Amino acid sequence: DTGVSQDPRHKITKRGQNVTFRCDPISEHNRLYWYRQTLGQGPEFLTYFQNEAQLEKSRLLSDRFSAERPKGSFSTLEIQRTEQGDSAMYLCASRRSSGGPYEQYFGPGTRLTVT
Amino acid sequence: AQSVTQLDSQVPVFEEAPVELRCNYSSSVSVYLFWYVQYPNQGLQLLLKYLSGSTLVKGINGFEAEFNKSQTSFHLRKPSVHISDTAEYFCAVSENNNDMRFGAGTRLTVKP
Repeated sequence: DTGVSQDPRHKITKRGQNVTFRCDPISEHNRLYWYRQTLGQGPEFLTYFQNEAQLEKSRLLSDRFSAERPKGSFSTLEIQRTEQGDSAMYLCASRRSSGGPYEQYFGPGTRLTVT
Repeated sequence: AQSVTQLDSQVPVFEEAPVELRCNYSSSVSVYLFWYVQYPNQGLQLLLKYLSGSTLVKGINGFEAEFNKSQTSFHLRKPSVHISDTAEYFCAVSENNNDMRFGAGTRLTVKP
């Protein structure tokens, strides 16, 4: 069991640039979640996939954000025209959709700094 | 809609002392409850979970939590903390077994 991995671990970008993050879930997990975590706060739900279908999106996910999971395995989160307010830790998590266990397994996160 | 309130943003405690981190939730339906721990620059690691059954749940690293439906609480406890328990702790609730909502976190600092 290799766990959830995220790439890159750190990203520094200039305001207005586009960035893309990748998440590789645990192989047998068909659900994949994205969260944003700012300093001193808990993770905030952004979106989740079951297989390749995006089932729910938070109102936090503005039209500059897009997430994909084209083959139901890895996922990408893209932020277009980054703003300083996008600076945060972006966390990915995965789990099975049925049959338990019901907890989500988290990756180490990608820390984004927008200058 | 589900929500989670962690009543203490910071809890300082001396090594080997007991600790309680408080969590209250709001939901109109049955919920699953979780406690996660986050060490600096790392993702979240599950400490314990309540799905159903016994209201006292034991987790890793000597932590336990008690589900109280009437109080809508899920407080985390440890009888004797170690320096290595210094971390951020998050309570989370899942109302529909789809998504999860987290509290703002409690920073536990264990002093020698």
